[in-house]
Amino acid sequence: EPEVTQTPSHQVTQMGQEVILRCVPISNHLYFYWYRQILGQKVEFLVSFYNNEISEKSEIFDDQFSVERPDGSNFTLKIRSTKLEDSAMYFCASRPNSQETQYFGPGTRLLVL
Amino acid sequence: GENVEQHPSTLSVQEGDSAVIKCTYSDSASNYFPWYKQELGKGPQLIIDIRSNVGEKKDQRIAVTLNKTAKHFSLHITETQPEDSAVYFCAATDTQGAQKLVFGQGTRLTINP
Repeated sequence: EPEVTQTPSHQVTQMGQEVILRCVPISNHLYFYWYRQILGQKVEFLVSFYNNEISEKSEIFDDQFSVERPDGSNFTLKIRSTKLEDSAMYFCASRPNSQETQYFGPGTRLLVL
Repeated sequence: GENVEQHPSTLSVQEGDSAVIKCTYSDSASNYFPWYKQELGKGPQLIIDIRSNVGEKKDQRIAVTLNKTAKHFSLHITETQPEDSAVYFCAATDTQGAQKLVFGQGTRLTINP
């Protein structure tokens, strides 16, 4: 069964450094999402992406965040200058045009020191 | 915007008993309500969903009910088994537009053998 994959599974970085989180959505899906979950808190929506552009973003998704679909398979989330409060689990999700169901990847645990 | 509240935060039941998790939502425009199961170290996996034109849906031991008037929906697991132990999240979205999911806080379900 096709799955959403994410790399790396864990990332440790110093405050102020840039990180890129990578996702490979399910191949025939057209809608892509990033969510994050700070330890002990709700899963929060960050951004949705369709037809090579952002369709919606949350208040969290400020200028230090960006997303890109650099080729036909990868979907990336870049944090330009990480802050301590960016430490969280980041989930990528995708869905096809014909369904509401979003399929989630296993997540990347980001720790900013 | 939408707000989803989920209760209880933890639930412990004896194997074979039933478990019920409840969620309320605030935005009457929400019309799609998925439930996700998250096991340790994995991303959320869809277990059942319901659309606003349906009051109840069942899939083997799992059922979901929706009361649009009261804006609440519930997950029912019958004949619980140890492998049902996980964190369960409810979510809500309006299927018009980007369809960002708004999640509840999660319920940690423990099945005691």
